[in-house]
Amino acid sequence: DAGVIQSPRHEVTEMGQEVTLRCKPISGHNSLFWYRQTMMRGLELLIYFNNNVPIDDSGMPEDRFSAKMPNASFSTLKIQPSEPRDSAVYFCASGSREGSMETQYFGPGTRLLVL
Amino acid sequence: GQNIDQPTEMTATEGAIVQINCTYQTSGFNGLFWYQQHAGEAPTFLSYNVLDGLEEKGRFSSFLSRSKGYSYLLLKELQMKDSASYLCAVRASGGSYIPTFGRGTSLIVHP
Repeated sequence: DAGVIQSPRHEVTEMGQEVTLRCKPISGHNSLFWYRQTMMRGLELLIYFNNNVPIDDSGMPEDRFSAKMPNASFSTLKIQPSEPRDSAVYFCASGSREGSMETQYFGPGTRLLVL
Repeated sequence: GQNIDQPTEMTATEGAIVQINCTYQTSGFNGLFWYQQHAGEAPTFLSYNVLDGLEEKGRFSSFLSRSKGYSYLLLKELQMKDSASYLCAVRASGGSYIPTFGRGTSLIVHP
């Protein structure tokens, strides 16, 4: 398996522009997570999907952030409009959760710089 | 609120055993995670504990005591490649799936 695939790997944009990050989870996984990591705030979980349904989006920082999962093999995280403080590494992870067992596999991340 | 405490930095010798502690104060408890992250790379999921006790996975083991709000990650037969940041994250109960992350422990393994 190719693992979790994220695109783009790097994104530089100007303040006010729309940014769309993409994720292809590992086939067969029923959970998908979007994380953000900065030096200031560390690693944060933004949103969790289970079976393509958003279960918990309480980590999403503002209404400018939105995430979708139209099918089991694709998810997007959108920032509109982007701001310099959104600059971070955004990770997508997929996994499975059965009873007390849980696993997660991370993608390589998208490094976003908003100027 | 939620509070996760872990040491900022630890050093150890190759071949030795190291224990990285994590204490937490949360409104309820619904699982504790450990992750490894090498500089400039994505995190790697190591373990998930929701019940008390020790879980072993090869050279890595994770322990949880819910009554004490305490967990540790035990690394045996340390290798140079184990030099990384180790993140503890706790999920509180109450319906939210979003865990609170500690700031991580930077482990340096020297020869």
